[in-house]
Amino acid sequence: GNSVTQMEGPVTLSEEAFLTINCTYTATGYPSLFWYVQYPGEGLQLLLKATKADDKGSNKGFEATYRKETTSFHLEKGSVQVSDSAVYFCALNTPNTGNQFYFGTGTSLTVIP
Amino acid sequence: GAGVSQSPSNKVTEKGKDVELRCDPISGHTALYWYRQRLGQGLEFLIYFQGNSAPDKSGLPSDRFSAERTGESVSTLTIQRTQQEDSAVYLCASSLGAGYNEQFFGPGTRLTVL
Repeated sequence: GNSVTQMEGPVTLSEEAFLTINCTYTATGYPSLFWYVQYPGEGLQLLLKATKADDKGSNKGFEATYRKETTSFHLEKGSVQVSDSAVYFCALNTPNTGNQFYFGTGTSLTVIP
Repeated sequence: GAGVSQSPSNKVTEKGKDVELRCDPISGHTALYWYRQRLGQGLEFLIYFQGNSAPDKSGLPSDRFSAERTGESVSTLTIQRTQQEDSAVYLCASSLGAGYNEQFFGPGTRLTVL
């Protein structure tokens, strides 16, 4: 079956620190991979995505590379800001098999000044 | 254009009562999803509609939960005989459909069962 596993939080970092949030997946076929972000008091919104192996998604200084060999899609940012404090969700989608989405449990990030 | 909208934004109900939650997807989006997000937890898939196909109900937690969708438009999620463990934020999302893979989320309905 399809599933997503991401590192448990909460994660607390100082401003300008390096961020990694691990995400691994299990999927049949060829999934697309996503990171969604939920800022405090707001709805989920797409942060970045990658649709095939070796693709790199990037947005707002965040990056994630689709690694088929390790079935991973780790989220990274070189220098976090207080405004990055949010909950981050890794997800996969199988557009060729019903377009179902599978989400991880979320990782809460707090960045302190 | 307008995004996904949900109503009500907040609902407080007594245990045992029925509730109905509404989702208006983005116009033209044939796929619609319902999720439940309990406090401090991830998204739990409930049900998925795609065009005129039979919905994927595999995530509904019990027969107290049901959902309907009118064509490719509004969807309602109904919870009968609510229980305290039903308290959560219920999220709706839509996407262009099979083969399109970005979901757009609504703001959610926060349900509190007393």
